[in-house]
Amino acid sequence: NAGVTQTPKFRVLKTGQSMTLLCAQDMNHEYMYWYRQDPGMGLRLIHYSVGEGTTAKGEVPDGYNVSRLKKQNFLLGLESAAPSQTSVYFCASSYSIWQGTPGANVLTFGAGSRLTVL
Amino acid sequence: GEDVEQSLFLSVREGDSSVINCTYTDSSSTYLYWYKQEPGAGLQLLTYIFSNMDMKQDQRLTVLLNKKDKHLSLRIADTQTGDSAIYFCAESKKDDKIIFGKGTRLHILP
Repeated sequence: NAGVTQTPKFRVLKTGQSMTLLCAQDMNHEYMYWYRQDPGMGLRLIHYSVGEGTTAKGEVPDGYNVSRLKKQNFLLGLESAAPSQTSVYFCASSYSIWQGTPGANVLTFGAGSRLTVL
Repeated sequence: GEDVEQSLFLSVREGDSSVINCTYTDSSSTYLYWYKQEPGAGLQLLTYIFSNMDMKQDQRLTVLLNKKDKHLSLRIADTQTGDSAIYFCAESKKDDKIIFGKGTRLHILP
């Protein structure tokens, strides 16, 4: 049982290049999230999705785009990478603790993708 | 995120209890969570508490929730070296966002 798989695990980009991070989950979870983790900043929510074909902005969405064309995949794109986007990116998917209760979501995280923008 | 605040560091002697505190701002948050992150790994759920509860106990872990003060704490009894990690408090909002604090790094002293 793979859980949440992120690819690639490491990537180095030059300023202005584009790339896509892929998150795949095999747990049939409805909700998926992208976070970035920076020293002293904790985890900040970039974008999230509450189901196939839906996306919504989080706390720090600027400079990123996402797509959820299939339920099991959530893609995070950087159209023109900047050094400020150097970070560790975590994807998570969630199931509901209590069906129909807003906010009752337990996250399962991937192992992270370390991105460096030079 | 600014919605959830935690102190950044805590040092505790092995065998003592650790208490990690968190404050949040959204009174409509329905669930509050504690996650643990070990070096080089993603986060793992430790425990959660529903907003209409004031305490939850799970083996060595005790969660206390003061909804009036929007204060959450995690107590780890008999702290062991394996408890050394970063602990994140998180709140779940009605729009399905899950917002994390900056994390508290727990250091265990011999």
